[in-house]
Amino acid sequence: RKEVEQDPGPFNVPEGATVAFNCTYSNSASQSFFWYRQDCRKEPKLLMSVYSSGNEDGRFTAQLNRASQYISLLIRDSKLSDSATYLCVVRGAMDSNYQLIWGAGTKLIIKP
Amino acid sequence: DTGVSQNPRHKITKRGQNVTFRCDPISEHNRLYWYRQTLGQGPEFLTYFQNEAQLEKSRLLSDRFSAERPKGSFSTLEIQRTEQGDSAMYLCASSSEWGQVAFFGQGTRLTVV
Repeated sequence: RKEVEQDPGPFNVPEGATVAFNCTYSNSASQSFFWYRQDCRKEPKLLMSVYSSGNEDGRFTAQLNRASQYISLLIRDSKLSDSATYLCVVRGAMDSNYQLIWGAGTKLIIKP
Repeated sequence: DTGVSQNPRHKITKRGQNVTFRCDPISEHNRLYWYRQTLGQGPEFLTYFQNEAQLEKSRLLSDRFSAERPKGSFSTLEIQRTEQGDSAMYLCASSSEWGQVAFFGQGTRLTVV
């Protein structure tokens, strides 16, 4: 089992719709969680950190479920510019030198 | 200092040649990471430094790969005797020691022909 798993997609979603995807992680001692966005042939860029109580940034909402060991990303009122690959990142615990573990990404395509 | 800088942006090399990439992190960041990414995959960890110390190196990294960060500032990644399977995007990222967020450079795209 991979340490961080994501549905690769692609998720094909009409503009204006709401879309959500999850990311599961295997190490219950994981410390921190992030969503990054990566456009084709570009570097990953931080979209948002994921806090225990859940957090929102405009149209984006991130949630953490420690009991079930997953994080989620919800995008409301999706825009064409939201088309990208969304990477889930988990920071490990001290036993892994607090290493960043990356999912393979979920590809999102917003259609007009 | 506007962010993490990587050079070159693109490199085409013949199989068997050696290549070296450079990464200049954000100046106040003392952690520096190297990743490799191929199409359709997430970044694959290669190695990371805290200041000049190389704290961890992926078991997947062959002896042909070596990285240095001699003064705790910029870092170099060298690949010796390149193989076609080395073709990938090589990404560098940096973070502060206690900070949790890593910031990436634009990457070096290596093509081995």
